[in-house]
Amino acid sequence: EDKVVQSPLSLVVHEGDTVTLNCSYEVTNFRSLLWYKQEKKAPTFLFMLTSSGIEKKSGRLSSILDKKELFSILNITATQTGDSAIYLCAVGDGSSNTGKLIFGQGTTLQVKP
Amino acid sequence: GAGVSQSPSNKVTEKGKDVELRCDPISGHTALYWYRQSLGQGLEFLIYFQGNSAPDKSGLPSDRFSAERTGGSVSTLTIQRTQQEDSAVYLCASSLMGAEGETQYFGPGTRLLVL
Repeated sequence: EDKVVQSPLSLVVHEGDTVTLNCSYEVTNFRSLLWYKQEKKAPTFLFMLTSSGIEKKSGRLSSILDKKELFSILNITATQTGDSAIYLCAVGDGSSNTGKLIFGQGTTLQVKP
Repeated sequence: GAGVSQSPSNKVTEKGKDVELRCDPISGHTALYWYRQSLGQGLEFLIYFQGNSAPDKSGLPSDRFSAERTGGSVSTLTIQRTQQEDSAVYLCASSLMGAEGETQYFGPGTRLLVL
């Protein structure tokens, strides 16, 4: 059964800390890995990764994919209270030809002042 | 529209009642997805539409759940004879063509509480 597992499930840090969120996957027909940030209800898109070893970066956030070891990490440097959210990892399932995403459980990040 | 919209934002219903949840995707997006997020869980795929047809309904948890899409735009998810375990946030997403790896854009969701 295809699955996506995120760790840790929750994390509490202080402003200025650096955090690393992990996502591992077992998907038969991998096509892409996506990271989303969910603050209230609507997940908002952060990154899509399809190739190993190529870092994607947006401000203080960066992410990289390892297709050999089947995982991705999301790094957030110099964290701010506004980074508090649930971070969702999802893998595109190519076997269905539908583009549907398989999501992990999410990592809840709380950044304290 | 500028983004995906959903209504209602919140719905409280009694066990056994039927509910309808609505999704308006981004204009021009042919692919539409429904997901469910239970408390403390990730998103669970329910159904995928390409235009008005639903080639993948594999995530619908029971025959009490159904969905339709009309005019290649608005979609309605219907839950009949609601049960307490149906309580969750129901999220809708759309993408341009439904291709693998394409970014999906999410609506704010409908929080359903079945008493």
